[in-house]
Amino acid sequence: DAGITQSPRHKVTETGTPVTLRCHQTENHRYMYWYRQDPGHGLRLIHYSYGVKDTDKGEVSDGYSVSRSKTEDFLLTLESATSSQTSVYFCAISTGQGAGNTIYFGEGSWLTVV
Amino acid sequence: AQSVAQPEDQVNVAEGNPLTVKCTYSVSGNPYLFWYVQYPNRGLQFLLKYITGDNLVKGSYGFEAEFNKSQTSFHLKKPSALVSDSALYFCAVRDSLDKFYFGSGTKLNVKP
Repeated sequence: DAGITQSPRHKVTETGTPVTLRCHQTENHRYMYWYRQDPGHGLRLIHYSYGVKDTDKGEVSDGYSVSRSKTEDFLLTLESATSSQTSVYFCAISTGQGAGNTIYFGEGSWLTVV
Repeated sequence: AQSVAQPEDQVNVAEGNPLTVKCTYSVSGNPYLFWYVQYPNRGLQFLLKYITGDNLVKGSYGFEAEFNKSQTSFHLKKPSALVSDSALYFCAVRDSLDKFYFGSGTKLNVKP
């Protein structure tokens, strides 16, 4: 258990509405990530954070923004949700221990945009 | 750019037989390689990793992986498959900025 909590776990929303997913960790890890999982694509990195207020874009960042105002929380926002953003979203942390740095995942947030 | 390829969408094996799930990678610099397993409606669980040293890495649940630098491969193996091993398996590589890149996943079906 990597001490990661995602909320909400399931959400249905309408096209054009804003949506925020929250990731909370309890172990003060420096690195946090948001991925989306889609059939045939595996996991694709949306954004990641390497510290408070330090974030960077991943492979599929268009339409998404993130914020990290505290070490323990990493928020993913869909400013105006579209049907193409229907997906499973996973938050992750990495231990940041040099060469042995390993990533661990939360349980996922299922988002449906109708 | 870093990338991972899992050439098989699905692998079928009979219980008790050995299994192999294939992964090839492309990375600049030292390869840091990982395997994860995902059960339905769950997050990914860490199985094992290669950082340096022995080319055969042992991990959780009896899984192991063989690193081959010349073939840029990191195949996941298990000597004797169990029905409970049926799941989705992901290979991943980490780059020098601590970003992790994942393959598209391989569904393992172990039949009784």
